[in-house]
Amino acid sequence: GENVEQHPSTLSVQEGDSAVIKCTYSDSASNYFPWYKQELGKRPQLIIDIRSNVGEKKDQRIAVTLNKTAKHFSLHITETQPEDSAVYFCAAITTGGFKTIFGAGTRLFVKA
Amino acid sequence: GAVVSQHPSWVICKSGTSVKIECRSLDFQATTMFWYRQFPKQSLMLMATSNEGSKATYEQGVEKDKFLINHASLTLSTLTVTSAHPEDSSFYICSATPGTGAMEQYFGPGTRLTVT
Repeated sequence: GENVEQHPSTLSVQEGDSAVIKCTYSDSASNYFPWYKQELGKRPQLIIDIRSNVGEKKDQRIAVTLNKTAKHFSLHITETQPEDSAVYFCAAITTGGFKTIFGAGTRLFVKA
Repeated sequence: GAVVSQHPSWVICKSGTSVKIECRSLDFQATTMFWYRQFPKQSLMLMATSNEGSKATYEQGVEKDKFLINHASLTLSTLTVTSAHPEDSSFYICSATPGTGAMEQYFGPGTRLTVT
């Protein structure tokens, strides 16, 4: 069946460094790729998303890139801060059939 | 905008009883709502997709007779865990999509269910 692979599962960076999280999806019909940040015991919060007709999107310190040919997309966080520490999930969504598959998550630690 | 609430935030019930969880979109109409289950330190697993006024679409492996979903209005969906067992203990989260054709999903705060 369709799946989304997310790497790494854990990422530790020094404050101010960049963090990159990568996801690969299998369903070629996927056309929407959001990234969520989830702090312990709280709801996932949408931090950035990209649609299949766009290759890159940036919002301040956060950017997402999409390579449809290779079926992978990445989250880039620059100038990381301790408050960026959380679990980040990618997802691949097929809006026509509303198929939603989440990656396994990446636990990001930003050390002060 | 795009606020989703869930009630209750946590519930403890005895094995064999049923529990109802409500998901509400507070400031928008949600044509489609989703129900997820999340185990500790794991990802969100989609259980079912519900559209207002129609039957929910369940993911493979999810028992529709055990997890009853009702999407009675554009702002309310309910998940009832019937005859709950300890293995049903989990964090249940709903999300909602505003309008028709919108892609963004906005999540509720989740409900922690513990079955004793």
